[in-house]
Amino acid sequence: EADIYQTPRYLVIGTGKKITLECSQTMGHDKMYWYQQDPGMELHLIHYSYGVNSTEKGDLSSESTVSRIRTEHFPLTLESARPSHTSQYLCASSEFQGPAGGYTFGSGTRLTVV
Amino acid sequence: DQQVKQNSPSLSVQEGRISILNCDYTNSMFDYFLWYKKYPAEGPTFLISISSIKDKNEDGRFTVFLNKSAKHLSLHIVPSQPGDSAVYFCAASGRNYGQNFVFGPGTRLSVLP
Repeated sequence: EADIYQTPRYLVIGTGKKITLECSQTMGHDKMYWYQQDPGMELHLIHYSYGVNSTEKGDLSSESTVSRIRTEHFPLTLESARPSHTSQYLCASSEFQGPAGGYTFGSGTRLTVV
Repeated sequence: DQQVKQNSPSLSVQEGRISILNCDYTNSMFDYFLWYKKYPAEGPTFLISISSIKDKNEDGRFTVFLNKSAKHLSLHIVPSQPGDSAVYFCAASGRNYGQNFVFGPGTRLSVLP
């Protein structure tokens, strides 16, 4: 049963638009992550957070920004969408030291910028 | 440079046979490893883990083997079932998962009836 929710599941948007991808978890996890995945490629970490008011950039350079005002909420924002942003975006969370199962992932948002 | 490699993009196996998915890593500081399974249009789900203090972990039809000297791990699925058809990701972390996980590119497994 999913305890981490991402909306929207699918989004088609025009170039230049501002978009926010939502991610919420009900498990009280401290750590949250955003990954980007293109088909057939590895998951690339673009942002993560260790807790409220903590945000860090990941391994993959991204033009997106994130915020963590509440423990359960970790939205990702693109100020001006471009076709190169077309990808799947996966949100995940974990306990601070990480449970044996690692991360819990949401179902993802597939973004298409036209 | 990829720290976690899954050199087979795809694998096809007959139902009832063994599926073996391989993963290699380059960072000797990695000490905790996970396998995730991903269906289309869904997020990855945790399958099985192994710590570097062990060389084998088993959970039902799934067994993960770790060869630290070769920096290699493998996932065995016995017997394979059509519902196992998915993309499998290997992930690694250092300092007992205190560090963020690094994911491989995945292997698409097709189990043929």
